[in-house]
Amino acid sequence: AQSVTQLGSHVSVSEGALVLLRCNYSSSVPPYLFWYVQYPNQGLQLLLKYTTGATLVKGINGFEAEFKKSETSFHLTKPSAHMSDAAEYFCAVSVRTNAGKSTFGDGTTLTVKP
Amino acid sequence: DTAVSQTPKYLVTQMGNDKSIKCEQNLGHDTMYWYKQDSKKFLKIMFSYNNKELIINETVPNRFSPKSPDKAHLNLHINSLELGDSAVYFCASSLRDQGAYEQYFGPGTRLTVT
Repeated sequence: AQSVTQLGSHVSVSEGALVLLRCNYSSSVPPYLFWYVQYPNQGLQLLLKYTTGATLVKGINGFEAEFKKSETSFHLTKPSAHMSDAAEYFCAVSVRTNAGKSTFGDGTTLTVKP
Repeated sequence: DTAVSQTPKYLVTQMGNDKSIKCEQNLGHDTMYWYKQDSKKFLKIMFSYNNKELIINETVPNRFSPKSPDKAHLNLHINSLELGDSAVYFCASSLRDQGAYEQYFGPGTRLTVT
């Protein structure tokens, strides 16, 4: 079975500062990893994903994440936070053999201060 | 041109009532999901259908019954509603053959049981 741990349920940064949201996963087979964003009163939206190949993946809105197998991590970063980045962020993992089931982390609330 | 739509967006009802939520996707996906998001934003998968076949059935009270008339539609019927059923219910879809199972979410249905 796969699992995901998001470190830090709340992260607060100043506008223009680096955003770092942490995600560690557990999987006995090669994982597929995702970051989703949820703006207030909306559904989740895919930010980026890692399947195979290049370990540094770029997503929408200037976000990127790096798959590090040795550290079982998939941290999300953005060089410069914008007020519009304030939202809930979810890390998720799935594997090919598990009927398409994605396991989601508990989420991290990102606050951006002016 | 909405990708995943849900109706209704809001649902307020009394304990003991029966209600249904409908979901439709026009992405040509073959897999659909129901998730429950509680007040702490935790996201829990409930059911998944692939080409009208139930493939994921998590530990959910049998008062909840999903139904997929075709691969573009997935409904959720809830009998004898309880206070603890109050949550936001999200429908999502994905294309299983892609392997990575990235999911596209609907806007959610906020269910309030009084």
